[in-house]
Amino acid sequence: AAGVIQSPRHLIKEKRETATLKCYPIPRHDTVYWYQQGPGQDPQFLISFYEKMQSDKGSIPDRFSAQQFSDYHSELNMSSLELGDSALYFCASSYRLAGSGETQYFGPGTRLLVL
Amino acid sequence: AQSVAQPEDQVNVAEGNPLTVKCTYSVSGNPYLFWYVQYPNRGLQFLLKYITGDNLVKGSYGFEAEFNKSQTSFHLKKPSALVSDSALYFCAGRMNYGGATNKLIFGTGTLLAVQP
Repeated sequence: AAGVIQSPRHLIKEKRETATLKCYPIPRHDTVYWYQQGPGQDPQFLISFYEKMQSDKGSIPDRFSAQQFSDYHSELNMSSLELGDSALYFCASSYRLAGSGETQYFGPGTRLLVL
Repeated sequence: AQSVAQPEDQVNVAEGNPLTVKCTYSVSGNPYLFWYVQYPNRGLQFLLKYITGDNLVKGSYGFEAEFNKSQTSFHLKKPSALVSDSALYFCAGRMNYGGATNKLIFGTGTLLAVQP
């Protein structure tokens, strides 16, 4: 079965640079979530989109922005990168219309290292 | 505030023995609860979820979890542990009100180590 695809899988950037993370949800899924997992920490919710509209916002820095496109893929744009942004970034997708008990399926993550 | 707690950082169990990974929650109303497993350098893999109905939920790879409303718990269990079950397990929850936000709130994770 098709899974959530994230690219790139690994990314190395320097401070103050920008990065773009991409997420391709499972086909027919209409909702995308972004989470950040710091070293040894639990995933923290950043932002979500439902039918291409932002549906919720968590602890996402103002330096970050995201959007969901017409083909439902999503991109997380990160600017003015800081050392503390080094983390594993997960994208998850779900099919909200399936009911309120939707399951979020996670991608493999993008490991970002800021030097 | 909504929260999910996993009181044990690590659980050690011998192969073939039953295992339990604990989770308690503080979520408004009737929560939706999930268990995910994370292998090294891998994404989060869905194991099972509780929405409503039977308190005992069966999931992938022989895992099950019991929802206990009075104790606000959702412990993960398996009758016979395998070495290959060794991984990081996350309990997660979210509110059940059908609103715009379906974000998951995660526990801090429990490292399960199964010794051969």
